[in-house]
Amino acid sequence: GAVVSQHPSWVICKSGTSVKIECRSLDFQATTMFWYRQFPKQSLMLMATSNEGSKATYEQGVEKDKFLINHASLTLSTLTVTSAHPEDSSFYICSALEGRSNEKLFFGSGTQLSVL
Amino acid sequence: GENVEQHPSTLSVQEGDSAVIKCTYSDSASNYFPWYKQELGKRPQLIIDIRSNVGEKKDQRIAVTLNKTAKHFSLHITETQPEDSAVYFCAASRGSNTGKLIFGQGTTLQVKP
Repeated sequence: GAVVSQHPSWVICKSGTSVKIECRSLDFQATTMFWYRQFPKQSLMLMATSNEGSKATYEQGVEKDKFLINHASLTLSTLTVTSAHPEDSSFYICSALEGRSNEKLFFGSGTQLSVL
Repeated sequence: GENVEQHPSTLSVQEGDSAVIKCTYSDSASNYFPWYKQELGKRPQLIIDIRSNVGEKKDQRIAVTLNKTAKHFSLHITETQPEDSAVYFCAASRGSNTGKLIFGQGTTLQVKP
């Protein structure tokens, strides 16, 4: 399957700081990437759709000013959690559709964010 | 809104037995149904998927069936092995958008040696 790389794999930060997470498609181009969030022992929830060269679209209830998404190239999308608070602690996973495999969704390795 | 219900939440089987996980979905426009396996702290791994124009798909020990009329689909694992132990998630696409998935609540499968 396609390879989606995510960095960092884990991060601990103080409340009020911002954290940037990178998502890269390594062996294919992705005009669209998707950011999901997963709380402990829960399911995955779609947060937003990242569109190369245009604004991201956010799911209902997700604050666009808090979760800044930038998709500057066909292989890179970034998610910045601004002014993080303990309730933002979660597993953030990016994903991308790989056209060669008939549009299957492949996930990055995830980023465990812990806000103290 | 769109919803995917998954059952059971936990499943324990003996090695070599079969395991079945069932999901129902609410969005009649959904046309893509993947299954993911997730080990603790790791990314979800796509194990099998099915599209709405197909009723059944098989890949070695894993099979998925889809009943579009009843809006339910199931994962079947035969000859289970301890390494099959993980959390399994079903998902349904939001309409035809295969990137926007609505996930079920997950099933923790334990295969006892």
